[in-house]
Amino acid sequence: GESVGLHLPTLSVQEGDNSIINCAYSNSASDYFIWYKQESGKGPQFIIDIRSNMDKRQGQRVTVLLNKTVKHLSLQIAATQPGDSAVYFCAESGVSGTYKYIFGTGTRLKVLA
Amino acid sequence: SAVISQKPSRDICQRGTSLTIQCQVDSQVTMMFWYRQQPGQSLTLIATANQGSEATYESGFVIDKFPISRPNLTFSTLTVSNMSPEDSSIYLCSVQGWSGYTFGSGTRLTVV
Repeated sequence: GESVGLHLPTLSVQEGDNSIINCAYSNSASDYFIWYKQESGKGPQFIIDIRSNMDKRQGQRVTVLLNKTVKHLSLQIAATQPGDSAVYFCAESGVSGTYKYIFGTGTRLKVLA
Repeated sequence: SAVISQKPSRDICQRGTSLTIQCQVDSQVTMMFWYRQQPGQSLTLIATANQGSEATYESGFVIDKFPISRPNLTFSTLTVSNMSPEDSSIYLCSVQGWSGYTFGSGTRLTVV
């Protein structure tokens, strides 16, 4: 059975709608941010990243927005599909040069048919 | 990006025993990272493992409880020692890639 995401905040979205997942990060000195997707029984997988000198970055169906003023990161998924159902984590780079990423609490995305 | 093989994928262990988790990478990497993911929680870094030196542990994690080996640039092991039910978690190894980490598929440990 699945234990990942069991007690995490859940976002339920209708298939085809857009999803917005939010994340507050802790360190104003962090200069690199990543969104990961974790499906049941798997390790986290890289989705998209952004550096602190950018406000927005787009990938295929995904967009990451960075607001450094309020230390906020968001992931937008366009035309959400059933395969998008997973737990999503943001990560910040923490102390520069250490490669020690600090992970956010995670959000479980449920796509409704 | 690197491909990581982690085993076992899951195990159920008796309290007081130890389990060694193996992580094999298909390319040479300098640093390997071990994370713990408790049920319904996010990922917490246990330690950073560099080849040829002792692992660096994060606050709250000690070598006696989580000994780590790093015999070469493609392999590492994490041992969970003297297990208790509180050690029930998913344990993940990861390596730094061009964009953040690449993770193994994790070891789902249940201690009874």
